[in-house]
Amino acid sequence: DIQMTQSPSTLSASVGDRVTITCRASQRISIWLAWYQQKPGTAPKLLIYQASILESGVPSRFSGSGSGTEFTLTISSLQPDDFATYYCQQYNSPYTFGQGTKLEIK
Amino acid sequence: QVQLQESGPGLVKPSQTLSLTCSVSGGSVSSGSSYWSWIRQPAGKGLEWIGRIHTSGSTDYNPSLRGRVIISVDTSKNQFSLRLSSVTAADTAVYYCATDGSGTPERYWGQGTLVTVSS
Repeated sequence: DIQMTQSPSTLSASVGDRVTITCRASQRISIWLAWYQQKPGTAPKLLIYQASILESGVPSRFSGSGSGTEFTLTISSLQPDDFATYYCQQYNSPYTFGQGTKLEIK
Repeated sequence: QVQLQESGPGLVKPSQTLSLTCSVSGGSVSSGSSYWSWIRQPAGKGLEWIGRIHTSGSTDYNPSLRGRVIISVDTSKNQFSLRLSSVTAADTAVYYCATDGSGTPERYWGQGTLVTVSS
């Protein structure tokens, strides 16, 4: 199976900050990488797929990059609504998720 | 817009079989080329992909659960289902059903349902 490793596990930041979350795959996955945002008590929400394509309706302050084994999710200017947990997911079956990054208010 | 709704028992005894159903509206489990998936999340932990079924009927499962899991489709009811056998407390989680979009992985999700394994 392909293992996904996210870093950091927890990230403390302030409104207006630029933040980056990294996801590494244990083997090459081309661009088959998605990012999700999850808030407590709700289902995950798809933000980005194919490593860099922004899902419809997602603010442009979110961006994704990478290919192969190394990927990043960047939020250019944090907004209050962005404090949540973020997961990467590789989607070469069987799919696997990273362990999550909790983005907290500093 | 596809909408999904999970249903099933909230409490299952150890060693028994967990059975959940996902009702689909705004889409069809039997047409097009879509994957219908199950994902779970233990309290306070991360997401675990359980498996999926394609509109063609082909299935893929998480190797760690293979042998215990079956995902099936009921086209007459426009539903798909999860059966997980020989459950233990480690199977206690919120279970989500989900489906993909054009070129995307899980775009549409149900609200999730909590299943507790306890005697």
